[in-house]
Amino acid sequence: SQKIEQNSEALNIQEGKTATLTCNYTNYSPAYLQWYRQDPGRGPVFLLLIRENEKEKRKERLKVTFDTTLKQSLFHITASQPADSATYLCALVGPDSWGKLQFGAGTQVVVTP
Amino acid sequence: GAVVSQHPSWVICKSGTSVKIECRSLDFQATTMFWYRQFPKQSLMLMATSNEGSKATYEQGVEKDKFLINHASLTLSTLTVTSAHPEDSSFYICSATGQSRGYNEQFFGPGTRLTVL
Repeated sequence: SQKIEQNSEALNIQEGKTATLTCNYTNYSPAYLQWYRQDPGRGPVFLLLIRENEKEKRKERLKVTFDTTLKQSLFHITASQPADSATYLCALVGPDSWGKLQFGAGTQVVVTP
Repeated sequence: GAVVSQHPSWVICKSGTSVKIECRSLDFQATTMFWYRQFPKQSLMLMATSNEGSKATYEQGVEKDKFLINHASLTLSTLTVTSAHPEDSSFYICSATGQSRGYNEQFFGPGTRLTVL
């Protein structure tokens, strides 16, 4: 069955450092992969989308890589700030599941001053 | 980004009653809306896909007679939890997408916390 795995342990990081999150998937050939931010009691907020033919995508302090050979995406938050504290979700869309997202369980990031 | 609202933001109801949750796209035409459910510390689970003007498509294991979805207009979809039971208590989230948004990007509502007593 299709599986998306994110590190369930919270990532505690000091302000100013780079946070790196991992998303691994199995039995999946995603057309693209997305990263979302979710704050407690709120809906997810879209951050970045990367397609299967793209290796890397950047948006301000965020960077996403996508390795379809390793079946892995890395999500980096550079120069992290306490306001970046949240849960970060990766989501996949398969080539034959138009628009339907399957989410990982998310990794909580805690940035301390 | 686009704005999607949900109403109510939270609801408490007695077991056996029905609850309706509204999802509205405020600034674009949402040809497709998705309904998710999220239990504490777990990922969002897709319940159903709703296209405007047609019947919703439900994911495996989701009872269509229990979770009624209506997507009668390009800006509104509703989810009705019929004869709710305590195990239906969860965080329900909708998302919307459409041609003007390129279909790839989904915009999520703020969620509705349902508690069934």
